[in-house]
Parts: sequence; C-alpha cells; structure tokens
Amino acid sequence: DTAVSQTPKYLVTQMGNDKSIKCEQNLGHDTMYWYKQDSKKFLKIMFSYNNKELIINETVPNRFSPKSPDKAHLNLHINSLELGDSAVYFCASSQIGQGRRDNEQFFGPGTRLTVL
Amino acid sequence: LAKTTQPISMDSYEGQEVNITCSHNNIATNDYITWYQQFPSQGPRFIIQGYKTKVTNEVASLFIPADRKSSTLSLPRVSLSDTAVYYCLVVPRAAGNKLTFGGGTRVLVKP
Repeated sequence: DTAVSQTPKYLVTQMGNDKSIKCEQNLGHDTMYWYKQDSKKFLKIMFSYNNKELIINETVPNRFSPKSPDKAHLNLHINSLELGDSAVYFCASSQIGQGRRDNEQFFGPGTRLTVL
Repeated sequence: LAKTTQPISMDSYEGQEVNITCSHNNIATNDYITWYQQFPSQGPRFIIQGYKTKVTNEVASLFIPADRKSSTLSLPRVSLSDTAVYYCLVVPRAAGNKLTFGGGTRVLVKP
C-alpha cells in the first residue's frame, strides 16, 4: 500500500542514452512533482503538475520532459543523458488546499540515476 | 522567496531534546514555516508547519516568535532513529506548493 512509488529504484546508463522514470501515487492527490537531489544533497524542484497540467517548470534543460497521463501518474523522460544528470530523482504528490498541512508533500523513495 | 539559514549539523544523545533554530529574516506576511525530515536513502517527510506562536504534534513542536524572523524545531527525547537531515522551509501561501529546500541540518543522535 505504498503511497508514492517510483520505478526503477536504481538506473545506470551510458551518456547519450534516453531513459524514463515512472511515478505513481495512490493518495488521490491532484498535484505531483519531480525533484532532483544532487551529490551535495541539495533538493531542487524541477516540475509540478496539477490535474495533469504543468504549473511549475523550473530552469530545466528541455532534454527533460515530464508526462502526466492522469492525475495518479507523472513520468519523467530524459533524452541524451549527460554526466551531470547523475543524481537522485524524487517524485512527490500533494493535495492543494489542505489548510494547516498545505505544504505537506509525500515523497517517493527516489530513483538513483548514474550516468557513465 | 525568503532564504533560510540553519546549522549544518548537530550532535545529540538518546533521550535528549534537540532544538534546531532556523533564521528567515525576510519572511513575508503570507509565508508559512514548514519543516521536513529526510532519512538516508529516503525521500523527505513532512514534520510540522506553522505560521506564528507554537504548534505541536505527535512528532515535534515548532516555536515561532512574534516577529517570525526565526523558528525553532524541537524534537523531544530523541532516539537513534531520529538521526536524519532536517530542512526548514519558508513557503509562500500561494506558491503552487513550490518547496525550496536549503542545505538542512544533519542531526546525529548518539547512544
């Protein structure tokens, strides 16, 4: 009964390849996010979707393309992978308008991407 | 976005109370103060959120002075399993839930 799940947990690939990371939430939330945590452990938001519509798009190379087929899924596709893309990618979800817990986001376990 | 400053690391012992203070001098009227906890190899987990004065839940207490330029997360009687990184965030109410994480405070609880 995992709330936010991501696949795969680990991803090792060569530079130049294209890869996807999948995320699913079973919490009934209307908003989903992708974050990147680099080697220095800084966690930065990349994208956010609310009801399948993009609402946050930080300065992220257009090699990164999120896709939300429905409210429960937000996948991340990365083209032409580079060494600097190596990081842990976290998916998260939330329900906007929860009052005192408005900023409570539920994070997945992360996907560790290693680009060789 | 209001910038936050918190200690890089803190050590404590089992059973002690841990207090982590976060500075956010340019917090805006509509900003909330939110704390997250991250264990190694896991995603962050929401701990507590407040706007002013004191908020308490089953995990922690959050103390916010009247000027709201700082806040203190208090973890009562920590155990080894409380070893984690604790992030202080200042979040605008209408930010579309955009969370901006800083460096966090690495808390090490020793036996």
